[in-house]
Amino acid sequence: SAVISQKPSRDICQRGTSLTIQCQVDSQVTMMFWYRQQPGQSLTLIATANQGSEATYESGFVIDKFPISRPNLTFSTLTVSNMSPEDSSIYLCSPDGVDGYTFGSGTRLTVV
Amino acid sequence: GIQVEQSPPDLILQEGANSTLRCNFSDSVNNLQWFHQNPWGQLINLFYIPSGTKQNGRLSATTVATERYSLLYISSSQTTDSGVYFCAVDCGDDKIIFGKGTRLHILP
Repeated sequence: SAVISQKPSRDICQRGTSLTIQCQVDSQVTMMFWYRQQPGQSLTLIATANQGSEATYESGFVIDKFPISRPNLTFSTLTVSNMSPEDSSIYLCSPDGVDGYTFGSGTRLTVV
Repeated sequence: GIQVEQSPPDLILQEGANSTLRCNFSDSVNNLQWFHQNPWGQLINLFYIPSGTKQNGRLSATTVATERYSLLYISSSQTTDSGVYFCAVDCGDDKIIFGKGTRLHILP
């Protein structure tokens, strides 16, 4: 399975600012998925990112709030924009895989 | 869309006990996975099991696709087994849907 490096592992940010989360995979993958896990909740898919095209966002998530880049087949970024305390969550990336899905170690974001 | 229900939502056991976690899903799936989320938030892939039975040490899983459920068995529980166990299904549209999880607490 793919080796995934996600940065930063955690951050504390001021409301109104933005944070960009990076996800690097050790092999080329077609799709990259970004998830949010709010405190005490399950994982919710934010968007799916394909290289060379705009990301596809799930209901309740918009590009202005969560812009995603996918410059090549091994890298993607998710930006959480104009943050509020409600954005405090764990954010995880996951590349598509042949024998199931694996996840980055997550970014634990706290907005104060 | 597909519904994924996990039970029980919470489980407290004494170290050494056995447990069974259940995952029901409302439609046919291409893939089913069990994950363990440790206290640091990392998701560990336990089983990729669209059907059949698999075992890995003290853990085993069985998926009966025709009846739309999967079971995760944990034997001789240890405190390090504590955390949240998630079931996630892939319906074939390249997205996986997570259940709400079972929070397991193993007491020493």
